[in-house]
Amino acid sequence: AQTVTQSQPEMSVQEAETVTLSCTYDTSESDYYLFWYKQPPSRQMILVIRQEAYKQQNATENRFSVNFQKAAKSFSLKISDSQLGDAAMYFCAYRTENAGNNRKLIWGLGTSLAVNP
Amino acid sequence: SQTIHQWPATLVQPVGSPLSLECTVEGTSNPNLYWYRQAAGRGLQLLFYSVGIGQISSEVPQNLSASRPQDRQFILSSKKLLLSDSGFYLCAWSVQEDSPLHFGNGTRLTVT
Repeated sequence: AQTVTQSQPEMSVQEAETVTLSCTYDTSESDYYLFWYKQPPSRQMILVIRQEAYKQQNATENRFSVNFQKAAKSFSLKISDSQLGDAAMYFCAYRTENAGNNRKLIWGLGTSLAVNP
Repeated sequence: SQTIHQWPATLVQPVGSPLSLECTVEGTSNPNLYWYRQAAGRGLQLLFYSVGIGQISSEVPQNLSASRPQDRQFILSSKKLLLSDSGFYLCAWSVQEDSPLHFGNGTRLTVT
């Protein structure tokens, strides 16, 4: 069975600095999707970035980028120029491509990111 | 644009009382709908999903149930709440089963 591990329960970063959140996963499949979701204090879950496993190029969304290492089964999130609004719980999630649906999303336990002014 | 509404935002209920949480989606038709629970210190757990009116699939056996009386309405219910039902409940929708999820603001349920 697939698993998702976020080894950092809590992280902190100074405003305007860069921080990297780690995520590792375990799977025997070759085709899958990986996601980072953000849950701010308002508690609404927001999709930050998505990576298809067949793509070698790392996904980027403005200040958010990933370092996808398929062989190492690692999917870290880098936040550049951190802002106070980035403070949130960040969840890494895995979805098999074989089933191809959200019922098969597997979630990590999350990393709480604090941004210090 | 599509929006999702979930209410109430917070709820405190005694053990043994009934529960009804409601979620509605606007701006889209025939969405896939989901109920998740997020317990303290744990990740998201999918409880129910629905691909159409009256079509409910349960992922985890429990004393909760879900219904979809209308295309864009999804209700989470219980006849008798347990202490272990406390948690944060999130409703979500997607265009298709493999499309990105869009979440509501969640309901904080405390069973006393």
